Amino acid sequence: SAVISQKPSRDICQRGTSLTIQCQVDSQVTMMFWYRQQPGQSLTLIATANQGSEATYESGFVIDKFPISRPNLTFSTLTVSNMSPEDSSIYLCSAQGNSNTGELFFGEGSRLTVL
Amino acid sequence: QKEVEQDPGPLSVPEGAIVSLNCTYSNSAFQYFMWYRQYSRKGPELLMYTYSSGNKEDGRFTAQVDKSSKYISLFIRDSQPSDSATYLCACRNSGYSTLTFGKGTMLLVSP
Repeated sequence: SAVISQKPSRDICQRGTSLTIQCQVDSQVTMMFWYRQQPGQSLTLIATANQGSEATYESGFVIDKFPISRPNLTFSTLTVSNMSPEDSSIYLCSAQGNSNTGELFFGEGSRLTVL
Repeated sequence: QKEVEQDPGPLSVPEGAIVSLNCTYSNSAFQYFMWYRQYSRKGPELLMYTYSSGNKEDGRFTAQVDKSSKYISLFIRDSQPSDSATYLCACRNSGYSTLTFGKGTMLLVSP
């Protein structure tokens, strides 16, 4: 298993600002992902954070809005840019455990409120 | 139609009850099926996973997959107040692919 630490755990932000969420894994992992969890909705994959190269974004998510960095096999950041109230959500970092089953381990999430 | 459908609940049961949580899915290529438990203000944690059809038991928890009807279930025996959480089902193809999650069912077990 992997232990994943995220910070900040929560924040209140002003419209138009940007916030960077950090994710640290206690062991080297190949695959890291960023998810969004909105109230009453399923976990939605934002992107796969690729080590040493640009992230792979899912449909509906773009790099300009959600730039992602992954400088090594244990760390990644997600920035939510030019925030609006619609970006209020929980953002979750995850890492893949067993590559055969695809099971994921999650951080505790970063709860963002945009005013 | 969403790929993975799950009743959001809440499902309220008394302590000691048998709980049945269910999901349906539409993608016949799904091969791996997982259940995650998420406590309030925490990240999801993997509870059980099953490959293809069949049952898997772990203590009070039993995961069941019926691929013919595209139906997956999680049974909790002798439910406890500490089982109160949101349960998310997740499915995945074989090979490299990401998990597709249901919306989650909130379970409330009262003492």
